[in-house]
Amino acid sequence: QKEVEQNSGPLSVPEGAIASLNCTYSDRVSQSFFWYRQYSGKSPELIMSIYSNGDKEDGRFTAQLNKASQYVSLLIRDSQPSDSATYLCAVSPSWGKFQFGAGTQVVVTP
Amino acid sequence: EAGVVQSPRYKIIEKKQPVAFWCNPISGHNTLYWYRQNLGQGPELLIRYENEEAVDDSQLPKDRFSAERLKGVDSTLKIQPAELGDSAVYLCASSSRTSVAKNIQYFGAGTRLSVL
Repeated sequence: QKEVEQNSGPLSVPEGAIASLNCTYSDRVSQSFFWYRQYSGKSPELIMSIYSNGDKEDGRFTAQLNKASQYVSLLIRDSQPSDSATYLCAVSPSWGKFQFGAGTQVVVTP
Repeated sequence: EAGVVQSPRYKIIEKKQPVAFWCNPISGHNTLYWYRQNLGQGPELLIRYENEEAVDDSQLPKDRFSAERLKGVDSTLKIQPAELGDSAVYLCASSSRTSVAKNIQYFGAGTRLSVL
């Protein structure tokens, strides 16, 4: 079992719709959770961090964390073609240590 | 403020040749990471430095890979000799151990290595 699991996609989303990305992790002691966006040929760019259970909203992005279920998700509202990218889930079981999922490819179709 | 700077951006070498990558972290960031990312995969840690000390190098193939971070700032990752399977993107990242920074790491642009 991988430490961080994501659906590889591609997740096809019509423009203006909501994209829903899921991530599960195996290390129960994890305390910090991150979503990175990675455009093709580029490096990962942090878009969201979340540290406590519940929802965290930043513009069109909402991260949701449920530590009991070991589950973190990312919602992208009003999806735009510029949101087409691979989204990496990263989990940190301790400071400075990070485990990455393989990423979910999102394709926003006009 | 400048981000994490890496060079070169691209490198093409023949197998068995040596290659080196350079990274300059964000000013003041004491933690530096080297990752390898294969196509369709997430980044995999090779080595993590806290200042000058390598605190996690368990995934570094030490028979051919070496790294150093002199003076706790810039870092160099070397492969000698390179193998075909080393073709990947090598990412450097840095972070700051402060409560404000909240365990967030920032990535450089990466070096895309092709071994022929």
